[in-house]
Amino acid sequence: GAVVSQHPSWVICKSGTSVKIECRSLDFQATTMFWYRQFPKQSLMLMATSNEGSKATYEQGVEKDKFLINHASLTLSTLTVTSAHPEDSSFYICSANGGLAGVVYNEQFFGPGTRLTVL
Amino acid sequence: AQKVTQAQTEISVVEKEDVTLDCVYETRDTTYYLFWYKQPPSGELVFLIRRNSFDEQNEISGRYSWNFQKSTSSFNFTITASQVVDSAVYFCALSEANTGNQFYFGTGTSLTVIP
Repeated sequence: GAVVSQHPSWVICKSGTSVKIECRSLDFQATTMFWYRQFPKQSLMLMATSNEGSKATYEQGVEKDKFLINHASLTLSTLTVTSAHPEDSSFYICSANGGLAGVVYNEQFFGPGTRLTVL
Repeated sequence: AQKVTQAQTEISVVEKEDVTLDCVYETRDTTYYLFWYKQPPSGELVFLIRRNSFDEQNEISGRYSWNFQKSTSSFNFTITASQVVDSAVYFCALSEANTGNQFYFGTGTSLTVIP
């Protein structure tokens, strides 16, 4: 149980286009989802936290107009990189916590990541 | 301030050697969780262990063992008889109950096991 999927697993796009990445909790209700970015040979950096039905909370230095996050349901959050540029090329990882049937999971479950390359 | 410190950036060992990856954390919470993840070249994080702040018992799982010491705020990870497949980046992470389980990751330790 507690599986998180991401789609696509990798994407290549041209500079100036927008890219949407989906994060789904497959077998539990994700009340909170987190989006991370990881540059090569670096750690995961939290970009934003989103609670279902609410606006996302962005970390300092992350442009909310560039990285649009939607968490409209308990099983799906999306990250849209708008007008992507080569410097946005990175590995994007989502995670989720929540629960099911009254059981609360006190940990995050990570998706497999999406590798974005902007040409 | 860095909440999780992994001082070792890169480690290389010869196969079958034991290796310990260090992790030091900082928190004022009494309730928190510590994690270790493995990240192979594919990128997907592989969960290794979760420890809560009230359980200081050391744990062993096959060739892996973890030493949790609250007195020194450390949660070190030892791989015994290392294998080439252990080559990966290992992340230590802290989650505090009062920050909605937000994760704080260390900078990672890149382990290379040489055959």
